[in-house]
Amino acid sequence: GQQVMQIPQYQHVQEGEDFTTYCNSSTTLSNIQWYKQRPGGHPVFLIQLVKSGEVKKQKRLTFQFGEAKKNSSLHITATQTTDVGTYFCAGAKTDSWGKLQFGAGTQVVVTP
Amino acid sequence: NAGVTQTPKFQVLKTGQSMTLQCAQDMNHEYMSWYRQDPGMGLRLIHYSVGAGITDQGEVPNGYNVSRSTTEDFPLRLLSAAPSQTSVYFCASSYSPGAYEQYFGPGTRLTVT
Repeated sequence: GQQVMQIPQYQHVQEGEDFTTYCNSSTTLSNIQWYKQRPGGHPVFLIQLVKSGEVKKQKRLTFQFGEAKKNSSLHITATQTTDVGTYFCAGAKTDSWGKLQFGAGTQVVVTP
Repeated sequence: NAGVTQTPKFQVLKTGQSMTLQCAQDMNHEYMSWYRQDPGMGLRLIHYSVGAGITDQGEVPNGYNVSRSTTEDFPLRLLSAAPSQTSVYFCASSYSPGAYEQYFGPGTRLTVT
């Protein structure tokens, strides 16, 4: 079954508001990646986190990797209509040859 | 660079038919993989390859075969299509399995009736 869980599954956001999506793994991860998929498109890589407690920013997006390397979050500030899409986290485990396991994704809808 | 290409973009099959989904990359990546995407399920790994001549099963391999005769190509074969295989299929490539970003193809939308 799914060992990388993402919440929430859906997120309706008013333009200009902030929101956070969370990713939780049942086991320790060697790294975590985040992808964005626009409606009708394919997943596009956003970022990778490797170190415990790591925080990375990309403009209005802030990514965090937990201290225990079992969870991660993506926080978007001042949401814009261009943020519409589904955000996936994908964890790599050290004991599985680095194969990525994807979460189910958070589908983001932005209301103008 | 074309990146990762997939053909066809859309396909309708009848139950029991077989077909091959094509995937090619021009980035000289050793690692290639196939995922299927179903609503609410995220992306699930079907098969993957760490280099020419080497393939292995992912999370949901049943009903699918793969081979990797060249670095560039990684076709996915459906042996006898079933309605449960209705899905969107993505091929991806990267320098290594989990330590580098995956480049995804545009996907193939498959319907099995």
